[in-house]
Amino acid sequence: GAGVSQTPSNKVTEKGKYVELRCDPISGHTALYWYRQSLGQGPEFLIYFQGTGAADDSGLPNDRFFAVRPEGSVSTLKIQRTERGDSAVYLCASSLKGGTGEAFFGQGTRLTVV
Amino acid sequence: AQTVTQSQPEMSVQEAETVTLSCTYDTSESDYYLFWYKQPPSRQMILVIRQEAYKQQNATENRFSVNFQKAAKSFSLKISDSQLGDAAMYFCAYRNSGGSNYKLTFGKGTLLTVNP
Repeated sequence: GAGVSQTPSNKVTEKGKYVELRCDPISGHTALYWYRQSLGQGPEFLIYFQGTGAADDSGLPNDRFFAVRPEGSVSTLKIQRTERGDSAVYLCASSLKGGTGEAFFGQGTRLTVV
Repeated sequence: AQTVTQSQPEMSVQEAETVTLSCTYDTSESDYYLFWYKQPPSRQMILVIRQEAYKQQNATENRFSVNFQKAAKSFSLKISDSQLGDAAMYFCAYRNSGGSNYKLTFGKGTLLTVNP
């Protein structure tokens, strides 16, 4: 596609449920990032993929959060046993490896845990 | 760890006037990138302008320019001839230049209102 696509745009789930958030990066971008943006805050880094592997997952808050990118393109962020504190906008970005590495962002998924 | 601070939660400007948004950062690195991103209500982060730390010349993109003071670790954004479409959240961001992990560290943002 022309840009980074994230689905769903909005997701409401009940506390304790499992959710998956999808990111479809720009074709050819090998680097993919997930960020979490809480209300009134700037985005915070969660995880970075280079190809299929998670090169840096230091931003994941706990073991309820997990992300995969099995074929080096689409990525899925998975959250188990959701808590109300997980409510936020989850942003995905992709970039070319090397060069200026400019990151292109999707429109995010707004997750609300009720 | 790098930190980015935006001390102005909100700013307002009259249409056609000039406004400056402030940003300071902290890093022990000598080479890095600094960015200003715009986030409208659509939530998509849009790159406004980029500055490479090794370049002394301040970056300019049409009505947008920066004042980069490396020694002071300051990186302000000036918007000239403000337009209604400039209204949005603005985030200052930092990125290391080395390695391959280009993760960004963001400030908390400044909400810019443009008054007609």
